[in-house]
Amino acid sequence: DAGVIQSPRHEVTEMGQEVTLRCKPISGHDYLFWYRQTMMRGLELLIYFNNNVPIDDSGMPEDRFSAKMPNASFSTLKIQPSEPRDSAVYFCASTLGDGTYEQYFGPGTRLTVT
Amino acid sequence: KQEVTQIPAALSVPEGENLVLNCSFTDSAIYNLQWFRQDPGKGLTSLLLIQSSQREQTSGRLNASLDKSSGRSTLYIAASQPGDSATYLCAVRGSARQLTFGSGTQLTVLP
Repeated sequence: DAGVIQSPRHEVTEMGQEVTLRCKPISGHDYLFWYRQTMMRGLELLIYFNNNVPIDDSGMPEDRFSAKMPNASFSTLKIQPSEPRDSAVYFCASTLGDGTYEQYFGPGTRLTVT
Repeated sequence: KQEVTQIPAALSVPEGENLVLNCSFTDSAIYNLQWFRQDPGKGLTSLLLIQSSQREQTSGRLNASLDKSSGRSTLYIAASQPGDSATYLCAVRGSARQLTFGSGTQLTVLP
């Protein structure tokens, strides 16, 4: 298995632009998580899905952030409009709800908003 | 709200030493605890997962223990090598499915 796939790996954009981050979970996994990592706040959960349905989005910082999972093999995290404080590494992770819930992480997308 | 603390924040040891990384959590009602490794600019690699009913897990030179009642876990690394240099993160899962992470211990193993 290729593991969790994220794209792009790096994104540099100007303030006010729309940014879309993409994730392909491990095949067969029924949970998908989006995390954000910054030096100041560490790793924080933004939102997670179970069977393509958003379960908890309480970590989404504000209305500028939105996430979708149109099918079991694809999810997007969108920021519109982007701001410099959104600069961070965004990770996607997936797991199989079989009891262990061991999470597997993608390589991350490093976002820089200038 | 669950809080996870890792001590020390940074650790530097000579090659060959055995070492212990510490993780503590405030809410003992956890389902499992996971230790990760993160290399600079990379994602997280899962090292060990301990279920709440378990006391320890071993993988190669790594051994993780869990004392749920006291809210503590340790990661023991035997015979450390320069390739072990990385940031080690612990994370706990409560009744929900998401993980709460500690801030990590940055380990440097000197050749």
